[in-house]
Amino acid sequence: DTAVSQTPKYLVTQMGNDKSIKCEQNLGHDTMYWYKQDSKKFLKIMFSYNNKELIINETVPNRFSPKSPDKAHLNLHINSLELGDSAVYFCASSPGTTKETQYFGPGTRLLVL
Amino acid sequence: GNSVTQMEGPVTLSEEAFLTINCTYTATGYPSLFWYVQYPGEGLQLLLKATKADDKGSNKGFEATYRKETTSFHLEKGSVQVSDSAVYFCALNGWGYGNKLVFGAGTILRVKS
Repeated sequence: DTAVSQTPKYLVTQMGNDKSIKCEQNLGHDTMYWYKQDSKKFLKIMFSYNNKELIINETVPNRFSPKSPDKAHLNLHINSLELGDSAVYFCASSPGTTKETQYFGPGTRLLVL
Repeated sequence: GNSVTQMEGPVTLSEEAFLTINCTYTATGYPSLFWYVQYPGEGLQLLLKATKADDKGSNKGFEATYRKETTSFHLEKGSVQVSDSAVYFCALNGWGYGNKLVFGAGTILRVKS
């Protein structure tokens, strides 16, 4: 049973397109996250939702819009894709919001041409 | 703000060698500390964690001790295997609402047979 799953695993698209990445967790957690890993493997948080409410938004361009239809899902929509958006995007979840272990999905490898 | 510094890699070792990957942190309050591992082409897996000073986290032969006096959380393993080849990330999440993980830059470990 996959705890945190993401689709698609790979995404290749042209500059200027709009794309979405989906994330689902079956751990019963209240909090979900999006992280970006750049080409040098550096990881940085983008967003966090707790019970469908946005609680962290880390100076991410407004072309990125997260949406949480329920606490088990957190999707990431990206408008007008740019070359610099090429990265691996990881979804994660945790039980709550205070110093707890986060469990990561397998990642979505996005390549913008 | 909170930050994590890891030793630069890549670290290349022969099988059965002793491993140390240094990690130091800067944080307000009393963060929880984590080591995550990323095998080639995969997502992040929690390796071990410690939630308070002098705690030792351990898993799969890896150990790290939370040292508040030196603000360190060095990862060690007595005898590495080829299958330990991966990228290792030190991370913290700090006090306060949000549970944001702050990662170090990652250390690539290569183990030769």
